[in-house]
Amino acid sequence: GQNIDQPTEMTATEGAIVQINCTYQTSGFNGLFWYQQHAGEAPTFLSYNVLDGLEEKGRFSSFLSRSKGYSYLLLKELQMKDSASYLCAVRPTGFQKLVFGTGTRLLVSP
Amino acid sequence: DAEITQSPRHKITETGRQVTLACHQTWNHNNMFWYRQDLGHGLRLIHYSYGVQDTNKGEVSDGYSVSRSNTEDLPLTLESAASSQTSVYFCASSESTQLTDTQYFGPGTRLTVL
Repeated sequence: GQNIDQPTEMTATEGAIVQINCTYQTSGFNGLFWYQQHAGEAPTFLSYNVLDGLEEKGRFSSFLSRSKGYSYLLLKELQMKDSASYLCAVRPTGFQKLVFGTGTRLLVSP
Repeated sequence: DAEITQSPRHKITETGRQVTLACHQTWNHNNMFWYRQDLGHGLRLIHYSYGVQDTNKGEVSDGYSVSRSNTEDLPLTLESAASSQTSVYFCASSESTQLTDTQYFGPGTRLTVL
């Protein structure tokens, strides 16, 4: 079976750093994706990890540990526009389809 | 610019009616996907296609069907709409040649079944 867990909601202050965790148990592993979704809009791609370690992209970084079935998304210098849901998704081995977690709603306050 | 579009953006229908949601992409992507998104469940895969004439069932396919007659389109049909199918529906597409290929999502269709 496939199981992906994320916290339901997090709050943070503008300018701060926040870490959103994702743990997964899937029948295979062929990469982990993070998407951002603003309310009423489509998900948009943020990052991709397939090897262990940290991938940095501007204010956003994503980390993967395959042995622990664990990833996190790190957002630095938070801005109000970062208020959104963040979706963790895993691609099981051999297929293009993704399995999504339920998403973490991040609220950034002034 | 290449894009992925969905129509209609909003739809209200009655229980028992057949409904078709359109999805059109101009990236020439081989892979296309249909998801539904509900509170507490996240995005769940309904059907997907890896190319023309190829269709596959996802985890929540009951009551839905798709057909792929060309590369650009993957319409989703609700054979007999039920209130449980009230949801936001997203179509997505991706290339199939690289592991890093991500899925690009359409703007979504909000469907209400009364």
